[in-house]
Amino acid sequence: AQSVTQLGSHVSVSEGALVLLRCNYSSSVPPYLFWYVQYPNQGLQLLLKYTSAATLVKGINGFEAEFKKSETSFHLTKPSAHMSDAAEYFCAVRIPSNTGKLIFGQGTTLQVKP
Amino acid sequence: SQTIHQWPATLVQPVGSPLSLECTVEGTSNPNLYWYRQAAGRGLQLLFYSVGIGQISSEVPQNLSASRPQDRQFILSSKKLLLSDSGFYLCAWSVGGHLLQGYTFGSGTRLTVV
Repeated sequence: AQSVTQLGSHVSVSEGALVLLRCNYSSSVPPYLFWYVQYPNQGLQLLLKYTSAATLVKGINGFEAEFKKSETSFHLTKPSAHMSDAAEYFCAVRIPSNTGKLIFGQGTTLQVKP
Repeated sequence: SQTIHQWPATLVQPVGSPLSLECTVEGTSNPNLYWYRQAAGRGLQLLFYSVGIGQISSEVPQNLSASRPQDRQFILSSKKLLLSDSGFYLCAWSVGGHLLQGYTFGSGTRLTVV
């Protein structure tokens, strides 16, 4: 069965510091992996996705993630945090079936301190 | 371009009252449709998904039901709300069978049962 684990429900960084949000997956087949961001009282917005074309994936707002098969990880990073990055972030893995269901992690709330 | 509409944005309902949340998608045909609930500190829980008109799959037993009367319309309902039904409800769509795509989410409905 496929699953996603996000390590750390809350992460706090200072403005300008490195952002690292951790995601590990479990899948018996090559996975499709996604990162979403959710601002308060809004829907989820796609940040980036891994679809096996390249292991380092660049997304919107300066975020990127690296797929590491040996570590079953897909961690999200950003070199320099901005106040506007404060939000909740979800990692997700897609089941290869007609329904295409996404399995989400529990989410990580990113706090950015001035 | 494709858009997804979800309404209402907020809703306060008494215990025991009925519920109807509507989601419509524009600019695409035969989408896969999904209802998620997000409760505080519990991540995203898939409630229902649909791969076509009249085809509904339930992921978890609950007090809610879903219907898809038209290709691009997905409705979440309840005959009698419980306090535990409170949460943030998100509708999403994806192109059926296209695993490389993520979901596109609506803006959500904040439901408070009092």
